[in-house]
Amino acid sequence: GESVGLHLPTLSVQEGDNSIINCAYSNSASDYFIWYKQESGKGPQFIIDIRSNMDKRQGQRVTVLLNKTVKHLSLQIAATQPGDSAVYFCAEIPSGGSNYKLTFGKGTLLTVNP
Amino acid sequence: DADVTQTPRNRITKTGKRIMLECSQTKGHDRMYWYRQDPGLGLRLIYYSFDVKDINKGEISDGYSVSRQAQAKFSLSLESAIPNQTALYFCATSDARWEQFFGPGTRLTVL
Repeated sequence: GESVGLHLPTLSVQEGDNSIINCAYSNSASDYFIWYKQESGKGPQFIIDIRSNMDKRQGQRVTVLLNKTVKHLSLQIAATQPGDSAVYFCAEIPSGGSNYKLTFGKGTLLTVNP
Repeated sequence: DADVTQTPRNRITKTGKRIMLECSQTKGHDRMYWYRQDPGLGLRLIYYSFDVKDINKGEISDGYSVSRQAQAKFSLSLESAIPNQTALYFCATSDARWEQFFGPGTRLTVL
């Protein structure tokens, strides 16, 4: 069946280092992939997205890479800051117009040590 | 001001009670969603609505019902709460595109 999963449930980094959060997906027909950030006590917040016809997309301090060959998605955060501490979810959207349905991964907890 | 608000933010109730969680949005979006989040799991879709007259079940709708009172309001009800419905509940909205905007969540505990 379709699934979105994460390689690592937790990640601890030092402030200033780069962070890489990984995500594996199984539905090769998905159109969009999205990364959400969820801080403690808050709802998920959109970070960045990438369409299936792209390999890389950059935002402010974040980069998403998509490797369709191995069905792998990653989120890179440059110069990680304490404010980046949160749970990060990847989500995929199937093709075919059903763009209401986000399939979420289980999340990775990122902890930034000062 | 928050674009998506949820009330209450926290609720403790007993098994068998009827509970309603409310969601309001000021984004002018037509589409609204209810998710639940459990520790160690991602968000799972309970119900979604594309407009006031459109209600659809998600992947885990059993034990829940919804009401779309207006474009801006979407409520979730637990007809007879049970302990395994203890979870964090999120409302979300979107327009015709895919990006969903989430509320702050309601933490529900069923004793």
